[in-house]
Amino acid sequence: EAGVTQFPSHSVIEKGQTVTLRCDPISGHDNLYWYRRVMGKEIKFLLHFVKESKQDESGMPNNRFLAERTGGTYSTLKVQPAELEDSGVYFCASSQDRVDYGYTFGSGTRLTVV
Amino acid sequence: QKEVEQNSGPLSVPEGAIASLNCTYSDRGSQSFFWYRQYSGKSPELIMSIYSNGDKEDGRFTAQLNKASQYVSLLIRDSQPSDSATYLCAVNRYNTDKLIFGTGTRLQVFP
Repeated sequence: EAGVTQFPSHSVIEKGQTVTLRCDPISGHDNLYWYRRVMGKEIKFLLHFVKESKQDESGMPNNRFLAERTGGTYSTLKVQPAELEDSGVYFCASSQDRVDYGYTFGSGTRLTVV
Repeated sequence: QKEVEQNSGPLSVPEGAIASLNCTYSDRGSQSFFWYRQYSGKSPELIMSIYSNGDKEDGRFTAQLNKASQYVSLLIRDSQPSDSATYLCAVNRYNTDKLIFGTGTRLQVFP
């Protein structure tokens, strides 16, 4: 079984540019989550999809962040325009069942905004 | 006060010893508790989950939960250098699907 795949693994962009991160969950997993870890801080929840619907987007920092999951398969997270404080590691995770059984995380995208 | 608190470490233990990692949480409505291991530059990997008070054992790992004290711990017996990593405590609140993470404890097992 393929794991959760994220790309790119690294991205360096200038402040004001746009970046799109992609996550391919484990096949058949209806639940897809985005998390972010800013340097020195804990991993923080961004949002949760169930299939193509946003179940919880309470962690999205502001309207510069847009997440989509068309067709309930892969998801994209777009940051437009990027700011310096957006730098960090963005993790995607997926699960078939509720969180009770834990998630499987992808290897993350390290975003650096300069 | 952070919702999930962990000592950042590093916790250094000799090979073969028991490593004890601790975590406290503030929300009494929390219902599921997880320990993830994260090697440097890698993704968090689920190693234990616990839902009821008491101990849960899986191989060399034992998770302990005390809801009255709002305390979760992870014991690693016969620690190996390959156990050297950051251990993340995560908590799930009732009726949500998101995890609240601590900042992690860095464990170093020396030969």
